[in-house]
Amino acid sequence: DIVMTQTPLSLSVTPGQPASISCKSSQSLLHSDGKTYLYWYLQKPGQSPQLLIYEVSSRFSGVPDRFSGSGSGTDFTLKISRVEAEDVGVYYCMQGIHLPPTFGQGTRLEIK
Amino acid sequence: EVQLVESGGGLVQPGGSLRLSCAASGFTFSSYSMNWVRQAPGKGLEWVSYISSSSSTIYYADSVKGRFTISRDNAKNSLYLQMNSLRDEDTAVYYCARDPGGPATAFFDYWGQGTLVTVSS
Repeated sequence: DIVMTQTPLSLSVTPGQPASISCKSSQSLLHSDGKTYLYWYLQKPGQSPQLLIYEVSSRFSGVPDRFSGSGSGTDFTLKISRVEAEDVGVYYCMQGIHLPPTFGQGTRLEIK
Repeated sequence: EVQLVESGGGLVQPGGSLRLSCAASGFTFSSYSMNWVRQAPGKGLEWVSYISSSSSTIYYADSVKGRFTISRDNAKNSLYLQMNSLRDEDTAVYYCARDPGGPATAFFDYWGQGTLVTVSS
């Protein structure tokens, strides 16, 4: 199975400040079709996960533009340009190119 | 609005069985693959099973293979997970999740609210 490793596992951010989460995969997520199948999810407290970013850098419907994704191959980053109180929760990266789909351990974001 | 509503969770003894259901609405259910994903208490996310739109392709995680069976009824807009020979480590919230990915990928764009399965004597 592909191992997804996130860092840091937790971060505390002042509202209005940026935040960044790294995700590294044990194998390349680049498919022969040219797409890279890396996704980011946010699980807010007491809620089910919600899709933020698909295929590395495309924002899902309704996701604010303060969220952005980047990376290639095996190294990926989720950035929040200005953290807001509603961004608290656990962020997961996920790969969808190899069966089984696997998730990172999660990064807990809290507000200072 | 896409809605996925799971049901059927509860307390079951080790070795017992349970059947989860997921009722879908707000989209053409028969056009989408579906998945079950679980989350043990205080833990991360673990994919459990996948079924294609026509039920022609099915996959399972190694941890549940031979014990769990995924199925769907497109006429009823419903997804199911039959869980047999349950173990303590199957205790988790089980989510159904829609999969808009093509044959090259699996991902989940909408998730239900989850149903809790507790395996304990």
